[in-house]
Amino acid sequence: SQTIHQWPATLVQPVGSPLSLECTVEGTSNPNLYWYRQAAGRGLQLLFYSVGIGQISSEVPQNLSASRPQDRQFILSSKKLLLSDSGFYLCAWSAFPNSGNTIYFGEGSWLTVV
Amino acid sequence: AQTVTQSQPEMSVQEAETVTLSCTYDTSESDYYLFWYKQPPSRQMILVIRQEAYKQQNATENRFSVNFQKAAKSFSLKISDSQLGDAAMYFCAYRSSSNYKLTFGKGTLLTVNP
Repeated sequence: SQTIHQWPATLVQPVGSPLSLECTVEGTSNPNLYWYRQAAGRGLQLLFYSVGIGQISSEVPQNLSASRPQDRQFILSSKKLLLSDSGFYLCAWSAFPNSGNTIYFGEGSWLTVV
Repeated sequence: AQTVTQSQPEMSVQEAETVTLSCTYDTSESDYYLFWYKQPPSRQMILVIRQEAYKQQNATENRFSVNFQKAAKSFSLKISDSQLGDAAMYFCAYRSSSNYKLTFGKGTLLTVNP
């Protein structure tokens, strides 16, 4: 069966520091991968999605970036965090081909920028 | 652009009773998919049920069922025999068959009273 893991689960970082959140999927090949953010009291916002190694699409312009160095690995990064980057980040995957496939989520990562 | 509206920020139900959560969406497309996700206090997003727009039959998963009204663009979730473990935030979500993006409503917080 397929599983998705992301880490760290909780992170407290000072403003201006870098960020790296990692996500891996097991049990499937060539998944579509996603990073979502959930701000307090809001629904989920799609940040990035990837349909293959090195292929990243950004939904929201910001100081975050994503990379996919391996087929089942997705990384969310920032060179300099802002206070507004605080939130709950969820990695997710769906099977290829994409049409209509359910998106499954990881456990999430809490980021607090202080 | 597609939008998803959940008009009930909070709902409560007595244990063993039935509750219905509302969701409406706006789209000009004919081929799409609808989902209900549950987010318990652990914050992980868990798929509850999914509906393909081309199917007239309402989806059912054990105690969870939907009332899908395509013409009215309505997609409500019915939880029967509510259990304490059903307490969570519930999100309605829309996905076009031609798009990678999953669009979420703002959620309904369900409380189950013993």
